[in-house]
Amino acid sequence: GAVVSQHPSWVICKSGTSVKIECRSLDFQATTMFWYRQFPKQSLMLMATSNEGSKATYEQGVEKDKFLINHASLTLSTLTVTSAHPEDSSFYICSASRAGTNTEAFFGQGTRLTVV
Amino acid sequence: ELKVEQNPLFLSMQEGKNYTIYCNYSTTSDRLYWYRQDPGKSLESLFVLLSNGAVKQEGRLMASLDTKARLSTLHITAAVHDLSATYFCAVNQGAQKLVFGQGTRLTINP
Repeated sequence: GAVVSQHPSWVICKSGTSVKIECRSLDFQATTMFWYRQFPKQSLMLMATSNEGSKATYEQGVEKDKFLINHASLTLSTLTVTSAHPEDSSFYICSASRAGTNTEAFFGQGTRLTVV
Repeated sequence: ELKVEQNPLFLSMQEGKNYTIYCNYSTTSDRLYWYRQDPGKSLESLFVLLSNGAVKQEGRLMASLDTKARLSTLHITAAVHDLSATYFCAVNQGAQKLVFGQGTRLTINP
């Protein structure tokens, strides 16, 4: 399978600061990447779809000005949590798919964000 | 709107026993995935099921798909402690977008 790498694996930040999370496809080009959020003991919820070279598509209820997504190349998407608050503390997971329809998504290792 | 429901949500079983996790989904989809998640970790892909009647097996786990009933099952045979984890099914909603079930937390006791 293909490799998707997320960085950092965990981060602690103060309330009001911003945090950037990177998602890289290491051995394939990903025209589409997805960002999920998972609260403790819950399922994964899709936050947004990141498309290379265009604006991200956000799911209902996700604030696009708070969760900034940039997909500047075919191997890198970033999620920036701006003005973080304790309620943003969660496990953030990205996935990436090769170009083409109906291709399998590969998941990153996840990033544990704790806002204090 | 596509909804994916798993049951049971919690399952505690003894080693050596068999059990099945069910995954129902509400609208037609062309593929279904099963994932395993260990505490604090990301998802590990177990199976991709692409067509009606598809059956895949890996070790003590077997997954099947009935697209007419919109139902997938994950069967565990002779469970061992190492299989303790949370199992998610997920269904495609257009292109590569996935909708996940709630997850089934499986605990296997000696």
